[in-house]
Amino acid sequence: GAGVSQTPSNKVTEKGKYVELRCDPISGHTALYWYRQSLGQGPEFLIYFQGTGAADDSGLPNDRFFAVRPEGSVSTLKIQRTERGDSAVYLCASSPRDSPIYGYTFGSGTRLTVV
Amino acid sequence: GDSVTQMEGPVTLSEEAFLTINCTYTATGYPSLFWYVQYPGEGLQLLLKATKADDKGSNKGFEATYRKETTSFHLEKGSVQVSDSAVYFCALRQNSGGSNYKLTFGKGTLLTVNP
Repeated sequence: GAGVSQTPSNKVTEKGKYVELRCDPISGHTALYWYRQSLGQGPEFLIYFQGTGAADDSGLPNDRFFAVRPEGSVSTLKIQRTERGDSAVYLCASSPRDSPIYGYTFGSGTRLTVV
Repeated sequence: GDSVTQMEGPVTLSEEAFLTINCTYTATGYPSLFWYVQYPGEGLQLLLKATKADDKGSNKGFEATYRKETTSFHLEKGSVQVSDSAVYFCALRQNSGGSNYKLTFGKGTLLTVNP
């Protein structure tokens, strides 16, 4: 597609529920990233995919968070047993490769609210 | 680890005023530096970048110069417009090493320009 698409744009869920957030990167972009932006903060790195594999998941806050990219295109960020502290905007970005000379293209984000 | 510190907002200016948003960083080596902008309801967009010391990035009337001696990358614009109202993020990315795909962001500065 023309840009990075994230769905849903907004998600409200109850504490303890499971949620999935979807990212559709730019066609042909092999590198995909997830970031989390809490209120009043800059985005913080969560996980990086090169192709189908998670090359670096060191930013995932705990084992309730998991992400997949089974066919090297669309990625899903999964959060189990959501907590109020998970409320944030979850950003996805993609780039042609992981070299710094290639810029990221960010999606508009999914605003997750846990009530 | 790497970090970025930018001036806290909000910053409120009148149209045609001069803008400076300060940004300093702490990092090993010589990273690339970026300014991203987030307009209301939209995703992060790259505004400008500089990849080495003394480089000047510029775009849409905005400028920032990579100052290694002061580890700074201050954003400036000579005459702001109402349409510049947005949140501005300073960020860095290592040019080499195992984590050169990762962006480290500041907390963001909200700019409001009044007519």
